Amino acid sequence: AQKITQTQPGMFVQEKEAVTLDCTYDTSDQSYGLFWYKQPSSGEMIFLIYQGSYDEQNATEGRYSLNFQKARKSANLVISASQLGDSAMYFCAMRAYYGNNRLAFGKGNQVVVIP
Amino acid sequence: EAQVTQNPRYLITVTGKKLTVTCSQNMNHEYMSWYRQDPGLGLRQIYYSMNVEATDKGDVPEGYKVSRKEKRNFPLILESPSPNQTSLYFCASSYWGYQPQHFGDGTRLSIL
Repeated sequence: AQKITQTQPGMFVQEKEAVTLDCTYDTSDQSYGLFWYKQPSSGEMIFLIYQGSYDEQNATEGRYSLNFQKARKSANLVISASQLGDSAMYFCAMRAYYGNNRLAFGKGNQVVVIP
Repeated sequence: EAQVTQNPRYLITVTGKKLTVTCSQNMNHEYMSWYRQDPGLGLRQIYYSMNVEATDKGDVPEGYKVSRKEKRNFPLILESPSPNQTSLYFCASSYWGYQPQHFGDGTRLSIL
C-alpha cells in the first residue's frame, strides 16, 4: 500500500516569492508515478506536474518544478514567482504501475498568496 | 475539448432516495475511478474500472454501486443514500499506468 505524507501547516506566501511544498511517500513498488494537483476554493482538481520513478531529471512545467529525491522518497513541489491565483490546496499523489493502479493522495497543503 | 463531465454539480436530497451521479469522458481512457473528499480524510477511492465490464472496489465502497457498460461512461449509484455519504465526489479518468488522472469538476452531495 502507498502512503503519502504532507505535514506542513497552512502557508502564507508573499506574491512573487517561491514556495516549496513538502511531500514524502512510502511504497514497496519500484514503478510508480508522482503527481501534484491543485484545488482552488472553487473545488476542481487541476493536474500540475508528473514525475516517473525512473525519470532521472526533475520534472518542470512552467512555474512548477518537482524536486524528486528517490532515495529519500520525497517529491517536493516548487512554485516560483507566486501569483495571487496560486492560493489553493495542493495535493501530492502517487500511482503505482501494478495492482489497482489507484491514485493515493496526501492530505494536502493550504497555500495563501498575499500581495 | 478533452474533458470529464460529471452531473449534477450540486444535489441536496433525502435519506433513502436513490440517486445516480453520471460521469462521462471523451478521451477514450480505459481507467475510470470515483473518489470522495471529506475534511480531514482527504480523497479516498470508492470504485474503479480498468475497462468496460471490469469494475472493482476501492477503499470505501460500502453504500455505492457502479457500472461500466460503455467505455466513456462510469455512473455512481447510491441505492439508499445516508447522511454519512454527504461529501464532494470526483470522477476521474486516464490511460492505464503512470498517466495523470483527469478529474471532473466534482459533485457536492448533501443527504439530509
